[in-house]
Amino acid sequence: DAKTTQPNSMESNEEEPVHLPCNHSTISGTDYIHWYRQLPSQGPEYVIHGLTSNVNNRMASLAIAEDRKSSTLILHRATLRDAAVYYCILRDGGGYQKVTFGTGTKLQVIP
Amino acid sequence: EPEVTQTPSHQVTQMGQEVILRCVPISNHLYFYWYRQILGQKVEFLVSFYNNEISEKSEIFDDQFSVERPDGSNFTLKIRSTKLEDSAMYFCASSEEAYSPLHFGNGTRLTVT
Repeated sequence: DAKTTQPNSMESNEEEPVHLPCNHSTISGTDYIHWYRQLPSQGPEYVIHGLTSNVNNRMASLAIAEDRKSSTLILHRATLRDAAVYYCILRDGGGYQKVTFGTGTKLQVIP
Repeated sequence: EPEVTQTPSHQVTQMGQEVILRCVPISNHLYFYWYRQILGQKVEFLVSFYNNEISEKSEIFDDQFSVERPDGSNFTLKIRSTKLEDSAMYFCASSEEAYSPLHFGNGTRLTVT
């Protein structure tokens, strides 16, 4: 599996923007960048994904570096409900391969 | 919005017994997965399933485990001769295509006593 590197934890104030970084220097041309999050006592939840271009949806934005070796998940206004573990994952578009979760970034939102 | 459903939400079993965890994936999805998460640890991949056969499995998924799609809607994980260390949350997931996002259920908490 292509590897991703994320900070273990981050803090944000409520209603402030949050930028969650992810490094994936060994990404291949067919790897999609996926982000998931896991709220306490729940299963992982899909957030957003992209290949080369920046992506926006109702939950977040994904900014992908031009060389694709890093990406940033952007939560525009953090709420207490956004406190979760965020996982950055590479998913091979060339076949059905397992998705491996790392330790992710634990986001704490301060009221 | 369609969702993955898992039953039961909590299963308690005695060591050595067999359990079957059930999942109903999203109806138009073709790829199915089981993951587990021991309390306080990472989400671990167990197995992926496509076209009525296992496509990948982890080293955790040994002969004690099996998966089945017995009909057009259910996807099951059977754990034979359960051990204390099998106690964990078990998550089912499905995806439309191989590279599509995974949609997870809320999990079954398995407690082996």
